[in-house]
Amino acid sequence: HVQLQESGPGLVKPSETLSLTCTVSGAPITSYYWSWFRQPAGKGLEWIGRVYVFGDTVYNPALETRVTMSIDTSKKQFSLNLTSVTAADTATYFCARTYRTGLVDPWGRGTLVIVSS
Amino acid sequence: DIVMTQSPDFLAVSLGERATINCKSSQNLLHSADNKDYLAWYQQKPGHPPKLVIYWASTRESGVPDRFSGSGTGTEFNLTISSLQAEDVAVYYCQQYYLTPVFGQGTKLEIK
Repeated sequence: HVQLQESGPGLVKPSETLSLTCTVSGAPITSYYWSWFRQPAGKGLEWIGRVYVFGDTVYNPALETRVTMSIDTSKKQFSLNLTSVTAADTATYFCARTYRTGLVDPWGRGTLVIVSS
Repeated sequence: DIVMTQSPDFLAVSLGERATINCKSSQNLLHSADNKDYLAWYQQKPGHPPKLVIYWASTRESGVPDRFSGSGTGTEFNLTISSLQAEDVAVYYCQQYYLTPVFGQGTKLEIK
């Protein structure tokens, strides 16, 4: 039974860096891609990017100048850094497993990040 | 970029009746290498993450009730709930995974 759990600060100041970690259990972290998504309150889903064990990353072009993802196989964790945040980055952030085909499943429960001073 | 467009945005259906949601892709999602449509449907209830319902356009995820079915190929797809139950109230999203993930805008399904 695969489980993912997001963790990180729930409040980030404007212009600072949003940092989140996703801890994986029940699946080998070296065998899949791992993705981040976000969802502003009451709105739709946006893909942020994905990371693979050998440092292979692909980012949403709309965010790629501000996004960095990495993976720590020893801790079974992968992480998201989003720099220079503004109020527009306020959202619930989800991590999720991604198959080689691109199918996404399952998702973490999500963590709300508010950007505010 | 692939654009996914769902219709309608809101759908109200009586309990026990059929609900159908449409999803159109701006590009063909049928991959010639494996003859599969790279299209998934997710269900999202308030305060919860998306839950996979259908993948490969018509394959039901394990544990999903058989009243849920997916159809279509290429650029046009449907999600059908044959007999709406109260627990099906949710927002439904289609998503293409032919390229990097893109979602439709969502369809909010309610009880009439």
